[in-house]
Amino acid sequence: DTEVTQTPKHLVMGMTNKKSLKCEQHMGHRAMYWYKQKAKKPPELMFVYSYEKLSINESVPSRFSPECPNSSLLNLHLHALQPEDSALYLCASSQKAGGPDTQYFGPGTRLTVL
Amino acid sequence: KNQVEQSPQSLIILEGKNCTLQCNYTVSPFSNLRWYKQDTGRGPVSLTIMTFSENTKSNGRYTATLDADTKQSSLHITASQLSDSASYICVVSPSGGSYIPTFGRGTSLIVHP
Repeated sequence: DTEVTQTPKHLVMGMTNKKSLKCEQHMGHRAMYWYKQKAKKPPELMFVYSYEKLSINESVPSRFSPECPNSSLLNLHLHALQPEDSALYLCASSQKAGGPDTQYFGPGTRLTVL
Repeated sequence: KNQVEQSPQSLIILEGKNCTLQCNYTVSPFSNLRWYKQDTGRGPVSLTIMTFSENTKSNGRYTATLDADTKQSSLHITASQLSDSASYICVVSPSGGSYIPTFGRGTSLIVHP
């Protein structure tokens, strides 16, 4: 099983809402990532979790709050977002952070902030 | 500053033809280079991954090459199919403590019947 799943597929939220994105993998990977991708641009790294601990935060605003409850799950909690936060949010995993391992990406959550 | 430049930005070819996409990078020290295919609105799918010692790697009709001396890579697609229409992204990762990958902006490929 080389699949990374993400829910929901689409999300529309207002600027005062609180919502969460979920990501799951069962490949035994110990590194998980959140990326943000705007249209016609490459993915931008947001967070890296290594062995369930946050190892990299690429200066992401605090309205995005990641959480790694266990080695298979990764959440991204959203609160008080802005319309410019609308994008495709991608989750990825790899065997470990920092090695020459393939990052497997999920299908993404298309987020629209009104 | 680590950079990954891809060319061409976009490419249109006829079904059945071959094409080659280019990737030049300045990432140092080098760990690995990956090529991904991304359909519109979907997550990227890995095609190949190469480390310093690898010159060529194939995955079906996709063949990637790496010249670590000149810091160049290419992705060759043979006998293109309509389903090859997508964005192809080159991603280069450094070795050492900072392993944050650098993404290229991608080449948008359109295959016409």
